[in-house]
Amino acid sequence: QQQVKQSPQSLIVQKGGISIINCAYENTAFDYFPWYQQFPGKGPALLIAIRPDVSEKKEGRFTISFNKSAKQFSLHIMDSQPGDSATYFCAAGVSGYALNFGKGTSLLVTP
Amino acid sequence: GAVVSQHPSWVICKSGTSVKIECRSLDFQATTMFWYRQFPKQSLMLMATSNEGSKATYEQGVEKDKFLINHASLTLSTLTVTSAHPEDSSFYICSARDPLRGEAFFGQGTRLTVV
Repeated sequence: QQQVKQSPQSLIVQKGGISIINCAYENTAFDYFPWYQQFPGKGPALLIAIRPDVSEKKEGRFTISFNKSAKQFSLHIMDSQPGDSATYFCAAGVSGYALNFGKGTSLLVTP
Repeated sequence: GAVVSQHPSWVICKSGTSVKIECRSLDFQATTMFWYRQFPKQSLMLMATSNEGSKATYEQGVEKDKFLINHASLTLSTLTVTSAHPEDSSFYICSARDPLRGEAFFGQGTRLTVV
C-alpha cells in the first residue's frame, strides 16, 4: 500500500510561475516530511524538510505547507526557473527509520 | 551541509561477477544507513536497512544472499551484488540520516549495468 501519495505526476510551468506539488500520507506516526529534487542520473538532493509542529517552512524560493489535520503537505516553488526542471519526490517517515516516498513529479519549466 | 558519498558512480560488470558499492557519511556518524533501488522513471524502492555492527534488515522480496550489506563502521556501509545478472542492472542509492540535524541525505547513486 502506497503510504505517501503524490500529485501531479507531471507539471509544466512557465518561467516565473509557481510550481505546486501535493502529497498526502496516512500514518499519523510520521514526524519527518522532506522534499527531494532529482536530476537524471543523480541521487536525490534534499531541498527542504518540515516537522509536524510547524505549518509552514520557507527556504529561498521553496516553501513547504503542512496541514497536520488533513495529513497533507505541499511544495511551492516560487519564481520557477528552467533550472528547476527535475523530478521532485516527497517523503514521509518516522525519524531514524526509512522514508516512504511518493511516486515523484516530473517538473518542466518552460522559458 | 552534510554529505553522503557513494562510490562508484557507475560500473559495468559481466554476468556472474560481484560488484561492491560503498556509501560513506563524510561529516557525521550514521548508525543506520539505507539502501534503495530505483528503476527508470520510478520512485525509490527500499531494499534494506543497514545497521552498524549488526545484520542488515531486508525488505520483503529482496534476496539477502544476493545483496550483501556490511556496515562495519559508523561512516561506511557497503552493498555487494553477488553473482550479478542483467536483471540486477539498476540505479542503487544509499541514504544516511544525520543524527544531530535529523535530516536524511542521499548519495549520488551508482548505475550498475550487468552485461
